[in-house]
Amino acid sequence: DSGVTQTPKHLITATGQRVTLRCSPRSGDLSVYWYQQSLDQGLQFLIQYYNGEERAKGNILERFSAQQFPDLHSELNLSSLELGDSALYFCASSAEGVGGGYQETQYFGPGTRLLVL
Amino acid sequence: AQKVTQAQTEISVVEKEDVTLDCVYETRDTTYYLFWYKQPPSGELVFLIRRNSFDEQNEISGRYSWNFQKSTSSFNFTITASQVVDSAVYFCALSIIPGYSTLTFGKGTMLLVSP
Repeated sequence: DSGVTQTPKHLITATGQRVTLRCSPRSGDLSVYWYQQSLDQGLQFLIQYYNGEERAKGNILERFSAQQFPDLHSELNLSSLELGDSALYFCASSAEGVGGGYQETQYFGPGTRLLVL
Repeated sequence: AQKVTQAQTEISVVEKEDVTLDCVYETRDTTYYLFWYKQPPSGELVFLIRRNSFDEQNEISGRYSWNFQKSTSSFNFTITASQVVDSAVYFCALSIIPGYSTLTFGKGTMLLVSP
């Protein structure tokens, strides 16, 4: 058990809908990362938050957004869902700060499996 | 831009065989971290090892060992005396220092160990 929790484990929804995925980082970790794992694209970085602020963006669609709350949990919002958004969405957390010369390991949650029908 | 290549899509071995998973990376940065993660059939991503680009010493942890060679930009992973529980998808990943430590993953290698 990595200490990172994600809810829900599974989500089935229809095209055009909006969903919210939730992540609680390991105790003490300030950085949260979101990744998408799909069959065609593999594992891709979406976005990173550090202590409530957005720090890095990857291949995140404009229909997707995220935030990190004062208690450090994070939510990933996916809207106007398309069939191609079906994937496993991972949250990871790490203890590090930002931009330094030393990086802590990212520990991953169990993922949320999203199926868009 | 960084890139990680895991050329072996799938490997099948019989229990107790040794198996090596290849990882080749590309980056223009001189300082970076390399990682291996395991994704068992249950789906979670499990951290296995992190290696700093300054540290080319090989590492052994039980039946697992890692061979880091900067000259060939490779970070290979060997499982000795494989077991059925080793069946999983294994991912190699890279992050750049300094930076925001986002991970660039390879496509993964599926390892199937049969009894």
